Amino acid sequence: DTAVSQTPKYLVTQMGNDKSIKCEQNLGHDTMYWYKQDSKKFLKIMFSYNNKELIINETVPNRFSPKSPDKAHLNLHINSLELGDSAVYFCASSPRTSGSVEQFFGPGTRLTVL
Amino acid sequence: AQSVTQPDIHITVSEGASLELRCNYSYGATPYLFWYVQSPGQGLQLLLKYFSGDTLVQGIKGFEAEFKRSQSSFNLRKPSVHWSDAAEYFCAVGLRDDKIIFGKGTRLHILP
Repeated sequence: DTAVSQTPKYLVTQMGNDKSIKCEQNLGHDTMYWYKQDSKKFLKIMFSYNNKELIINETVPNRFSPKSPDKAHLNLHINSLELGDSAVYFCASSPRTSGSVEQFFGPGTRLTVL
Repeated sequence: AQSVTQPDIHITVSEGASLELRCNYSYGATPYLFWYVQSPGQGLQLLLKYFSGDTLVQGIKGFEAEFKRSQSSFNLRKPSVHWSDAAEYFCAVGLRDDKIIFGKGTRLHILP
């Protein structure tokens, strides 16, 4: 049973395209996150949602738009892709938002923009 | 500002040798502390966490870490490494607003 799953695992696309990455968790958690890991392995939070409500929105270009149809899903849509968007994107979930608890990570989506 | 520092970008140890990975944090309140491991091409797996109580915490795969408030450190240790421990290790601090700040990682290499 996969706890946090992401699709696709790899995504190769041209500059200027629009793409989406999907994330689903079957852990019953209320909070989900998107992280970006750059080529130097640095992990930085982008967004978090709690029960479909946006909680954290770091300084991310508005070309990135998260969408949460229900608390088990948090998708990431990226418009007008740029070379600098190439990275590995990780989805994560945690059981609650008040107080910091551990986060469970998906396997990542490697995005390559040509 | 809150931050996490992992001073060693790469560490190489021989199989069977002991390991210590360093982590220092900067945070005004009592921190929540984590160590995660990332194997090549994989997501992050939680090794252990510290929230309160005993400052020596045990994790999975034989790892442990010790919280030292006076040194703002949370170093990860293992008495005897295995070749399968080769991976990237991330120290992280959990903040009250539910964010986690990660260090830049330490890549562990194992010599046979």
